[in-house]
Amino acid sequence: DAKTTQPTSMDCAEGRAANLPCNHSTISGNEYVYWYRQIHSQGPQYIIHGLKNNETNEMASLIITEDRKSSTLILPHATLRDTAVYYCIVRVGFGNEKLTFGTGTRLTIIP
Amino acid sequence: ETGVTQTPRHLVMGMTNKKSLKCEQHLGHNAMYWYKQSAKKPLELMFVYSYEKLSINESVPSRFSPECPNSSHLFLHLHTLQPEDSALYLCASSLGQGGTGELFFGEGSRLTVL
Repeated sequence: DAKTTQPTSMDCAEGRAANLPCNHSTISGNEYVYWYRQIHSQGPQYIIHGLKNNETNEMASLIITEDRKSSTLILPHATLRDTAVYYCIVRVGFGNEKLTFGTGTRLTIIP
Repeated sequence: ETGVTQTPRHLVMGMTNKKSLKCEQHLGHNAMYWYKQSAKKPLELMFVYSYEKLSINESVPSRFSPECPNSSHLFLHLHTLQPEDSALYLCASSLGQGGTGELFFGEGSRLTVL
């Protein structure tokens, strides 16, 4: 699976949009971009995933660049409960069982 | 509530003890995983079971022994552990083939080895 690069940490004011970047310049054509988050001492939680089109669900939006070498996770109205470590992961399609986590971005929402 | 339940949530054991961690899911998933998360380190994949068969073993020491008796239950048997094995052990499940690739994680079992 391709490697990703994320900033170590970010701050965001409560109520503002949190934009978390991820670089995956070596992504292959059949690899998807997944985002998970881990709130302190809990298991990771799936947020969203996409292949090449932008995606939106009730939690977040995922913007993938046209060349697919980078993406941005957007939390539209951040709350204090969004404080967590956010992981960007690329992996081959749905049949691949291996999900490899990196160090992620520690997002802190400031009141 | 993810539908994946892990017990116990906390476990303290000596280096000579034998204990087991249990994971249970009733989501109809066909793949189950064990991950290890040590302090200030990324999650490390340990084992993957697919349709009750071990499909991935990430060169885990033999003092960790997984067992998947059916598609709903996963165990991690522990024996003669070392203090550096102290960590949060996370279980996850996924639909496997035909699914979206989403993993559902339990809350984890925090293990302390004395």
